[in-house]
Amino acid sequence: AQSVTQLGSHVSVSEGALVLLRCNYSSSVPPYLFWYVQYPNQGLQLLLKYTSAATLVKGINGFEAEFKKSETSFHLTKPSAHMSDAAEYFCAVGGERGSYIPTFGRGTSLIVHP
Amino acid sequence: DGGITQSPKYLFRKEGQNVTLSCEQNLNHDAMYWYRQDPGQGLRLIYYSQIVNDFQKGDIAEGYSVSREKKESFPLTVTSAQKNPTAFYLCASSPGQGSFHEQFFGPGTRLTVL
Repeated sequence: AQSVTQLGSHVSVSEGALVLLRCNYSSSVPPYLFWYVQYPNQGLQLLLKYTSAATLVKGINGFEAEFKKSETSFHLTKPSAHMSDAAEYFCAVGGERGSYIPTFGRGTSLIVHP
Repeated sequence: DGGITQSPKYLFRKEGQNVTLSCEQNLNHDAMYWYRQDPGQGLRLIYYSQIVNDFQKGDIAEGYSVSREKKESFPLTVTSAQKNPTAFYLCASSPGQGSFHEQFFGPGTRLTVL
């Protein structure tokens, strides 16, 4: 079975500071990894996806994530936070044959201070 | 524009009532999903469907029912057997198995029991 752990239910940064949201996964097969963002009272939107191509994945809105197999991690980063980045972020892992849905983490709420 | 629509955005239910949440997609996706979201608990899968006229229970199917008579539509009924239905409900679709493909989410329906 696959699992995802997102460290920190809340992360607080100042505007202009580095954003780092942590995601560690467990998988017995090469994983497919996803980061989604959810703005208040809205659905989720894909930020980026890893499917065993380049280990550094660039997504929308200036976000990127690096796949590190040795650390079983897929942390999300952005060099400079903007107020509009305040949202809930979900990491998900998939890729198991016979599994029709990914496994989602519990989410991390990003708070951006002016 | 292609996408997923959910209606209504807000729904109020009295004790003992059944209510139906609508989900429609025009993305020509085979797979559709229903998730429930509660604060701090991430996403929990209620039901999913890979093809028309077929669907499977997710992790928390008790008190819910679905149908998939058309590729575009996947309505969710919250029955009176669901003891704590107040939550945010998200519908999603994907072009193939969600474990390997991006899921596209609707804007959600917030259900409140009065």
